[in-house]
Amino acid sequence: KAGVTQTPRYLIKTRGQQVTLSCSPISGHRSVSWYQQTPGQGLQFLFEYFSETQRNKGNFPGRFSGRQFSNSRSEMNVSTLELGDSALYLCASRPGGPDETQYFGPGTRLLVL
Amino acid sequence: AQTVTQSQPEMSVQEAETVTLSCTYDTSENNYYLFWYKQPPSRQMILVIRQEAYKQQNATENRFSVNFQKAAKSFSLKISDSQLGDTAMYFCAFMTLGQGNLIFGKGTKLSVKP
Repeated sequence: KAGVTQTPRYLIKTRGQQVTLSCSPISGHRSVSWYQQTPGQGLQFLFEYFSETQRNKGNFPGRFSGRQFSNSRSEMNVSTLELGDSALYLCASRPGGPDETQYFGPGTRLLVL
Repeated sequence: AQTVTQSQPEMSVQEAETVTLSCTYDTSENNYYLFWYKQPPSRQMILVIRQEAYKQQNATENRFSVNFQKAAKSFSLKISDSQLGDTAMYFCAFMTLGQGNLIFGKGTKLSVKP
């Protein structure tokens, strides 16, 4: 099976812009979670989607949003970008059901100038 | 709220030797999972090993094994016969059963020296 894929891999934006990141889970996986990784804050949970519904949300402002499509692919959107949004954004998928293991994609590195 | 603590920011080990990375966690939950992930310089997060809290037997995956002490809320990772490719950041992570959010420690940077 192909692994989790994320596009784009690298992105440069300026303050005030918005950005959309995409994640395609492993085939058959129904849950997608998003994480932000920064040197200062480490790895922080953004949100989780399962069968197109947001099931869990981390402590991030409303500028961070996401959605999941019927094929389980997920997108996250950040509006009105700030310098502090520069980070590696990781997506992880899991099957749902008894297997709780999350498998990660390669990440999207976002730089906000 | 659950927390995960990795008390060793950096460690180094000689090739072929054994090293143990420490992790403690705090939770009031009874059903949860614990994971070790490695993140090499490529930044791809790779699952190393997982442990279900209800299992008393410690998980083992080839050269990697854990020492899971549920009462002490401790979950250490032992790497035997260390290889240069083991050089990476290692993250300990906790997840409550049925939740989709992993809670990560700050990580331990492991360097394997030839």
